[in-house]
Amino acid sequence: EVQLVESGGGFVQPGGSLRLSCVASGFTFSTYTMGWVRQAPGKGLKWVSSLSGGGGSTFYADSVKGRFTISRDNSKNTLYLQLHSLTAEDTAVYYCAKVGAEWEVFDSWGQGSLVTVST
Amino acid sequence: DIQMTQSPSTLSASVGDRVTITCRASQSISSWLAWYQHKPGKAPKLLIYKASSSQGGVPSRFSGSGSGTEFTLTISSLQPDDSATYYCQQHDSYPLTFGGGTKVEIK
Repeated sequence: EVQLVESGGGFVQPGGSLRLSCVASGFTFSTYTMGWVRQAPGKGLKWVSSLSGGGGSTFYADSVKGRFTISRDNSKNTLYLQLHSLTAEDTAVYYCAKVGAEWEVFDSWGQGSLVTVST
Repeated sequence: DIQMTQSPSTLSASVGDRVTITCRASQSISSWLAWYQHKPGKAPKLLIYKASSSQGGVPSRFSGSGSGTEFTLTISSLQPDDSATYYCQQHDSYPLTFGGGTKVEIK
């Protein structure tokens, strides 16, 4: 059974940084593209970033490009999202998601990690 | 960027009703469309991909159709467990984009 467990969320001041982690199990982690999707309070789902299985290809939403960095450690079955220069607009639940057999379709998701940016 | 527009934003229906949700893309995405179900506090769940292919384990009352710019998700007989928000997502090109969501409530 696929399991994705996020951690690292919390409260941070504007301009601050945070690193989210997602530990994966139940599948061959290095084979699959992984991504992050976020949901701001009361809003819908928004794609943030994706990273290929080998780590060679990264993709970002314009709203986070240059501020967020996606990475992975396949030896630890872990996906990361480094967040910098945070603003209130980055406040959201951040979901880790696994891409399945179909290109950029997320077939498994974690429970999410809440990031709150506030003074 | 490809904009995805869902309608309605909310709907209320009775158990056993047939429910249809529409998703429109701002440009043609062929059949590269997925549907997800999301309940509060839970992980989103993939229902449909490539417009009409059902993800394993999804009840047969959920079906998808459409191509180009117009797509639908149909629940053939609404069940109490179907109370959730439903999102479409285009998987044609980056940036990946989701519709605004349709909240389905049970009368």
